Amino acid sequence: GQQVMQIPQYQHVQEGEDFTTYCNSSTTLSNIQWYKQRPGGHPVFLIQLVKSGEVKKQKRLTFQFGEAKKNSSLHITATQTTDVGTYFCAGPLGGNKLVFGAGTILRVKS
Amino acid sequence: DGGITQSPKYLFRKEGQNVTLSCEQNLNHDAMYWYRQDPGQGLRLIYYSQIVNDFQKGDIAEGYSVSREKKESFPLTVTSAQKNPTAFYLCAATGTGNEKLFFGSGTQLSVL
Repeated sequence: GQQVMQIPQYQHVQEGEDFTTYCNSSTTLSNIQWYKQRPGGHPVFLIQLVKSGEVKKQKRLTFQFGEAKKNSSLHITATQTTDVGTYFCAGPLGGNKLVFGAGTILRVKS
Repeated sequence: DGGITQSPKYLFRKEGQNVTLSCEQNLNHDAMYWYRQDPGQGLRLIYYSQIVNDFQKGDIAEGYSVSREKKESFPLTVTSAQKNPTAFYLCAATGTGNEKLFFGSGTQLSVL
């Protein structure tokens, strides 16, 4: 079936190092969304990408949407302890059915 | 995120028992969703509703039931047919198509 795959599953980094998580869809997406879930919390919307090749930045976070609109990435520059959490990508597969990737758990060592 | 209220925060189910998780929203959003999250895993879609009195099965609907009698409310019943119900359940809502999801704070369901 239609899927959204996300890698890596876990990433442990030293504070100040960079971090990237990748998302791939089995089909072309009309848009892709990214969410962050802090430990013990609920997912919170970060951003939505719509255009082919789109790049958006939020402070130290850079989001990219692939040219074919089937892949996306989230890159964090110089991680901080406040970046700890699980990052999910999500894409609409079948109308309003939003399908989530498995998420990447980020741990930051200070 | 404000506007989505889930209750209770923690719920315990006895074997053979049906339990209902509440989800209420005051965002006036048409679409509502129920996701299940297992430890260290992503969110799997149980049911979703795009409009009052209508809902569709997600990827793991077996053992669950929902209703959407009011725009504001989308309760989820975990039936006795769901043999592995222990999980974190998240309710969400969104406006007209492809907009961001607002999540509730979740309900942790455990089996006694």
